[in-house]
Amino acid sequence: QKEVEQNSGPLSVPEGAIASLNCTYSDRGSQSFFWYRQYSGKSPELIMSIYSNGDKEDGRFTAQLNKASQYVSLLIRDSQPSDSATYLCAVNNQAGTALIFGKGTTLSVSS
Amino acid sequence: DAGVTQSPTHLIKTRGQHVTLRCSPISGHKSVSWYQQVLGQGPQFIFQYYEKEERGRGNFPDRFSARQFPNYSSELNVNALLLGDSALYLCASSWDELDPDTQYFGPGTRLTVL
Repeated sequence: QKEVEQNSGPLSVPEGAIASLNCTYSDRGSQSFFWYRQYSGKSPELIMSIYSNGDKEDGRFTAQLNKASQYVSLLIRDSQPSDSATYLCAVNNQAGTALIFGKGTTLSVSS
Repeated sequence: DAGVTQSPTHLIKTRGQHVTLRCSPISGHKSVSWYQQVLGQGPQFIFQYYEKEERGRGNFPDRFSARQFPNYSSELNVNALLLGDSALYLCASSWDELDPDTQYFGPGTRLTVL
């Protein structure tokens, strides 16, 4: 059973701080990695994709990938109350036909 | 461009009934995937279709079926509904030529089985 593991949280950070979200995966054949944000009652919204080892930055968001350690992370700089949501880590299966999701980490940013 | 659309938004059914959910992908996308998300869990993969062919199937019973039409829209059918089928059903489209793996989700259909 291929798995994606995330701490469920809640992760609480003050406004303006850096939020760090972590994810590990079991399938060494996975090649594509994604972070989605999901507000309560809404559908997942893509934040970032990452395919190569290292860092990828997009605005206040930085995704980090380490395939040797089977580890993906998401850093949110200058956290805002509007960032309060559940963050889902997803990896593709080896066939590239499905995304396997973690249970999500709930982030709460206090003003 | 319009995003992924799904209908209906909400649906209430009783046990044993049948339900059909519909999805239209982003214009230019050729692949549609279906996921089930129960409260407190991440989405779980049900099916993926590409060019009207099934490319992948998750660990769901045969009560779940799907198809994709020539215009790339898709239907998910669930027969003999059980209480445990109550969930948010998500459709995702993909297969942008430059980024085939990235999936974009529609707003979902909230199914309640009584």
